Amino acid sequence: AQSVTQLGSHVSVSEGALVLLRCNYSSSVPPYLFWYVQYPNQGLQLLLKYTTGATLVKGINGFEAEFKKSETSFHLTKPSAHMSDAAEYFCAVTLTGGFKTIFGAGTRLFVKA
Amino acid sequence: DTAVSQTPKYLVTQMGNDKSIKCEQNLGHDTMYWYKQDSKKFLKIMFSYNNKELIINETVPNRFSPKSPDKAHLNLHINSLELGDSAVYFCASSQAEHEQFFGPGTRLTVL
Repeated sequence: AQSVTQLGSHVSVSEGALVLLRCNYSSSVPPYLFWYVQYPNQGLQLLLKYTTGATLVKGINGFEAEFKKSETSFHLTKPSAHMSDAAEYFCAVTLTGGFKTIFGAGTRLFVKA
Repeated sequence: DTAVSQTPKYLVTQMGNDKSIKCEQNLGHDTMYWYKQDSKKFLKIMFSYNNKELIINETVPNRFSPKSPDKAHLNLHINSLELGDSAVYFCASSQAEHEQFFGPGTRLTVL
């Protein structure tokens, strides 16, 4: 069965510091992997996705993530945090050919001035 | 030019009442979903429809009944509302297993 684990329900960084949000998954077959961001009182929006091909994927707002099959990880990074990055971030997994997406529990990112 | 829209945005009602939430997408997607997000932000899939056919029903109480009149619409009707139904409900759509586009959410409060 698929599962998604996000390490750390809360992460706090200073403005300008590196952002690292961790995501590990389990899946019996290669999945599609996603990161979504949710700003307060809004729906989720896609940050980036991995389907096939290049394992380092770039998304919106300067975020990127690397798919590491051997570690079953898909960690999200951004070199320099901005105040506007403060939000809830969700890692998600969908099996190819499937219609069910499993979301991680979410990581709340705080950015300090 | 809203992609996925939901109505209403807020819903406050008494226990035992029946209510509906409507969802529409104009993206031409073939798959639509309902999710429930609790107060701790945990997001749980409830239903998924592909080409108007129900394909996922995640152990949701029978009081919840989705209806998809066409590929662009997926409505959620809830009977006999309970306190535990209070949450934010999100509609989403996708083209098969690709990324999902979410609506703005409906905050349901049951008193």
